[in-house]
Formats: sequence, structure tokens, C-alpha cells
Amino acid sequence: AQSVTQPDIHITVSEGASLELRCNYSYGATPYLFWYVQSPGQGLQLLLKYFSGDTLVQGIKGFEAEFKRSQSSFNLRKPSVHWSDAAEYFCAVYTGGFKTIFGAGTRLFVKA
Amino acid sequence: DTEVTQTPKHLVMGMTNKKSLKCEQHMGHRAMYWYKQKAKKPPELMFVYSYEKLSINESVPSRFSPECPNSSLLNLHLHALQPEDSALYLCASSHDPRLAGVLHEQYFGPGTRLTVT
Repeated sequence: AQSVTQPDIHITVSEGASLELRCNYSYGATPYLFWYVQSPGQGLQLLLKYFSGDTLVQGIKGFEAEFKRSQSSFNLRKPSVHWSDAAEYFCAVYTGGFKTIFGAGTRLFVKA
Repeated sequence: DTEVTQTPKHLVMGMTNKKSLKCEQHMGHRAMYWYKQKAKKPPELMFVYSYEKLSINESVPSRFSPECPNSSLLNLHLHALQPEDSALYLCASSHDPRLAGVLHEQYFGPGTRLTVT
């Protein structure tokens, strides 16, 4: 079955520290993969996307993600976290027929 | 312009009220979506319109009635809602994902926070 797993419900990092949010997917074909960010009470903003080509993709706000087919993973990274990055992060895969499966989300807390 | 707008931002309604949520985009997208999001959960798809026609209804109760008057507008009419319908309602739009070379990235509005009393 198609699915997206974000193993970490929440993560706390210190400001200025590096960040990695994990995402594993289950999908038979070449996946369209996305990371979205949602600040409290707001809509989802697309951070980055992957379909083909270079497996390391750059996004907005200094985020990047690496697609690893062998591990069925699409982890999100940022070298230095800012307090404004505190938010909910959703990994997602487009499964066809207008449908996107979202992971359960990872809440990022940033401590001073 | 990569913005999806939604009105109102907040809505409180009684179980006997009729209200509508509105969504607008001017990106030329021909697919528009309604999602429901409960606290600490991912968005759940409710409806999809493609070229102003309803393509997907995820078995949503009839007290929710979507409408797509034109390619830029999407409405969600609400009637006789239940307290468990309280949630953040998100609108999104995208290019037709069936077109070659199009990535199915969705652009989301800020949502309407709905409270049913």
C-alpha cells in the first residue's frame, strides 16, 4: 500500500544547530515527493519537490532534501536552524488521480 | 502571483446555520481542492474539482456542498454541521497533474478556522 512515514512526532533543536527530518515512503513507481511546512493556524507552504534528476534538491528558506531510492527515503535537512523555522513539517507523495498522501507530520521546536 | 486566498479566516456557526467558505486563485490552475485538517493531523482530502467539474468526493457528508463557479473560484457551502466538523479547512490548487511535464505541487491557502457550536 502507498504510505508516507515520518518517524518523529516532534524534534527539538537548538538555534544554529543542524536539522534532519526523516521521511520514508512506500510507492511502486517513481515518486513525486514534497516537503511542506505549516506554521500554527496557517496553510501549507511548499518547501521543495522531487520527481527526477539530481537526488539532492534545494528548496526555499535554506532547506534541502535528498532522495534515496534504495532506502525509500526523502529526508529534509537544514545546516543551521533559525527560531522562525519552528513549525509543523509534512512529507508527501503524489499517488496519481489528483491524490497526495501526507505523512503524519513532525513538529519542530527550536530552543534558544 | 502564487497566492491562494480564503475567506473568512475564522467562522463560528451554530448547527442550524448555513454558511459558505470561499477560495480564489489566479495562477491559471485548473485543479482545486478542499481539505479538512484537525489539530495535530495532516490534511484530509474532501473534494477535487478539475476544469470546474467535480472529480473526487471522498465520501464527504452531504452537509458539505462544494461549488466551482469558474476556474478561479471554489466555494464550500456548509449546512447543519456538527461540532466534530470544527477544523481548519484548507483550499489548494494545482495545474492538471495529468498533463505531461507538470509536477503535482499544490498551492495552499491560509485556511478557514471553523468552529461549530
